[in-house]
Amino acid sequence: DAGVTQSPTHLIKTRGQQVTLRCSPKSGHDTVSWYQQALGQGPQFIFQYYEEEERQRGNFPDRFSGHQFPNYSSELNVNALLLGDSALYLCASSPTGAGHYHTQYFGPGTRLTVL
Amino acid sequence: AQTVTQSQPEMSVQEAETVTLSCTYDTSENNYYLFWYKQPPSRQMILVIRQEAYKQQNATENRFSVNFQKAAKSFSLKISDSQLGDTAMYFCAFMKGDSGGGADGLTFGKGTHLIIQP
Repeated sequence: DAGVTQSPTHLIKTRGQQVTLRCSPKSGHDTVSWYQQALGQGPQFIFQYYEEEERQRGNFPDRFSGHQFPNYSSELNVNALLLGDSALYLCASSPTGAGHYHTQYFGPGTRLTVL
Repeated sequence: AQTVTQSQPEMSVQEAETVTLSCTYDTSENNYYLFWYKQPPSRQMILVIRQEAYKQQNATENRFSVNFQKAAKSFSLKISDSQLGDTAMYFCAFMKGDSGGGADGLTFGKGTHLIIQP
């Protein structure tokens, strides 16, 4: 049973560019959440997707946008990159329905460096 | 808004010892969930243990157990018989409960770097 997967592993961009990160949820999970983890900090919630719509959003600007596909996979897009966007981006998936649906399982992350 | 505080930036213990990591949180919610996640140098965030706020019984998972004090808004993690592989960053996290199904966003603390010495 494959866990949460993310691609790419590492990415280097320059200021002003745009980036797309990808996430495939764990089998049986239909909800995907994205987090930004700056060096030495805990992850910060960006947004969550369920049924192909943004269900919740944290305190992030509109430069951060996302998408969820019918197969539940998800993309995170960041426009007009800033140096401060350099971070580890984590994707987490969770199921809906009865049971441990409040538990989120994380992927290995994408390390984004903005120069 | 919820906040999660981990007051111990780093802890170091000898292998086989017992160690307790502290976490406090602030919320006005009555229905919520608490988690401990482990992040080793490989950076994969791994679930250690979870606790439902409506349950009075403390959660346990093998060598890991929690001390959940709802009135004090405290949620500490105890690791018994610590092993070298327990070396990692440990994050305490809070999730608001909802009535609509599906998970909510997690609020994390800043983490505690736990080092197990041989």
